[in-house]
Amino acid sequence: DGGITQSPKYLFRKEGQNVTLSCEQNLNHDAMYWYRQDPGQGLRLIYYSQIVNDFQKGDIAEGYSVSREKKESFPLTVTSAQKNPTAFYLCATTGQASSKPYYEQYFGPGTRLTVT
Amino acid sequence: DQQVKQNSPSLSVQEGRISILNCDYTNSMFDYFLWYKKYPAEGPTFLISISSIKDKNEDGRFTVFLNKSAKHLSLHIVPSQPGDSAVYFCAASARGTYKYIFGTGTRLKVLA
Repeated sequence: DGGITQSPKYLFRKEGQNVTLSCEQNLNHDAMYWYRQDPGQGLRLIYYSQIVNDFQKGDIAEGYSVSREKKESFPLTVTSAQKNPTAFYLCATTGQASSKPYYEQYFGPGTRLTVT
Repeated sequence: DQQVKQNSPSLSVQEGRISILNCDYTNSMFDYFLWYKKYPAEGPTFLISISSIKDKNEDGRFTVFLNKSAKHLSLHIVPSQPGDSAVYFCAASARGTYKYIFGTGTRLKVLA
């Protein structure tokens, strides 16, 4: 069953602690992304990776870090430097749309992180 | 600077009628546009897309129209059903960039 897995669904942490969110995919897609969604706002890009061992900052990378050691995995660490970490985090991958020259983006189910 | 805008935060439509969701963009380099549907606490699901070489794409009850000169696209849902109630995001991408820019979403409520 192909797809994108994010775990856990809900995560609670104390302020000042780092926390790592998991994202795994078996779609064999090269590109992976992390977005953040806040109430009433759209999806904001945190980091993305086009290939293994390479990643780029998105629009709101401060306070976050990522790694891409394997094609299937793109974990996101929310550090204590992130001022407002409570949010809904979405992982996505990009794969070529069937018989089309364009790429569609697919999303995981998300992780709701609450920091108190 | 918001490159993709959805100016209507919410929309209510009667069941069976047409829902029209709008999206504007500013970057003329965008050549691929997508619509996503999102329920609370879930990831967005892909609905329909359109490339800049077309001005219309249809899939069942969903049709997307693209007006390149106006830098405007719209999603039509006909007929609207209560299960269509969700937040709809439009997104845009430029070939080769691997980046997708999302609008802020429109919450659609279909009234039974």
